[in-house]
This record gives sequence, C-alpha cells and structure tokens, in this order.
Amino acid sequence: DAKTTQPTSMDCAEGRAANLPCNHSTISGNEYVYWYRQIHSQGPQYIIHGLKNNETNEMASLIITEDRKSSTLILPHATLRDTAVYYCIVRRGGGTSYGKLTFGQGTILTVHP
Amino acid sequence: DGGITQSPKYLFRKEGQNVTLSCEQNLNHDAMYWYRQDPGQGLRLIYYSQIVNDFQKGDIAEGYSVSREKKESFPLTVTSAQKNPTAFYLCATKRMRDTDNEQFFGPGTRLTVL
Repeated sequence: DAKTTQPTSMDCAEGRAANLPCNHSTISGNEYVYWYRQIHSQGPQYIIHGLKNNETNEMASLIITEDRKSSTLILPHATLRDTAVYYCIVRRGGGTSYGKLTFGQGTILTVHP
Repeated sequence: DGGITQSPKYLFRKEGQNVTLSCEQNLNHDAMYWYRQDPGQGLRLIYYSQIVNDFQKGDIAEGYSVSREKKESFPLTVTSAQKNPTAFYLCATKRMRDTDNEQFFGPGTRLTVL
C-alpha cells in the first residue's frame, strides 16, 4: 500500500473550515484514499473514502487531485469536538482484500474557540 | 444496539503473566482485526481473521495469540513472550462482501504491565 505524508499538526478556529492535506504520490490505480480520526483514548472513527472522484458525506468532503497524488479532507464548519488526530490511509480495495489499514502518525487537528 | 465491545477498558497485569483481551461484535461482520497503539504513534496490525477458525499474522504478531471459534468473538492473548506489552489495544471489524468499505473500531483496552 502507498505511503502517505501529512503535516504533524494544524490549528483551526471554531466555525471555520478545516482543510487537512495528504500526499500520496506513489498511489496506484486500484488504491483508495481513506480518512479516519481518533479522539484521545478512543478507537478510530471512519470519516470518508474515495478512489478518484470527490466525495461528500455528512461529516466531511474529500477532494482528490486529478493525478491522485494528493488529497484534502475538508471539515466545513469545525467544532471543538473535531479536535482529534486525523489519519490519511491509502489501501487497495476489493472484496478479497483483507483490509489491512496502515496508520502513520496522522495530523493533530486542534480546534480553538 | 449494534457495536463492538472490548472489555475491560483498563487492565493491569504483573510481568510474566498471560492476559486475554476480549472483543465481541454483533454487527455480523466477517473480518476482525487486532491493532496495537503506542503513545504518539499510529496503529500496528497484530492479527486478523476473515472467517471463523482462520486467522493470519499481521505485522507484529510475535508474543501474541488469537482464536476465532465464533464469528462474534476474536480474543487476543498477550503472552509473557511479548517483550513490551504495555499499550492501547484496539479491535476492529469489517464486512467482506462489499468491494470496499470501512473498518469499525471498538473503544479499546489499555493494558499496563507492572
């Protein structure tokens, strides 16, 4: 699975959009981009994933560049409860995949009042 | 309601003792996973199982053992052979039928070996 690079930490004001970048320059054609977050001392929570099209759900939007070498997770209106470590993960899809997720160190997002 | 249960939340053991961490799910998911997380680090895969009575080693299986006798349960035993067992342990599940989908994580068990 492709390696990802994320900034170590980011700050965001409450109510503003949080834009979290991720580089995955070695991504291959059948690899998906997944985002999870982990609030302190809890299990990770799935946010969103995509292959090549932009995706949106009730939590966030995922923007993937046309060459798929980078992506941005957007939290449109960050709240204090969005303070967490955000992990960008690239892995192969497919029903036969055993689904291994390789977690890096992620980005610590701090939302302040 | 549906979910993943890991118990207990905090566990203390003396060095040299084996300890078994529980993971139960009622999501009817086929695959189950055990991860370990050390302070300030990402998660590392210990073992995973795609079906009952079958499991495979992950990246850091040494010193650990698992069983999958029931679809709902995937207990992890931390043996005395594990050199540094103090960590946060997370269990996860996943459907296998879909082409791609997410893993669901339990609340975790924090193990401290004294």
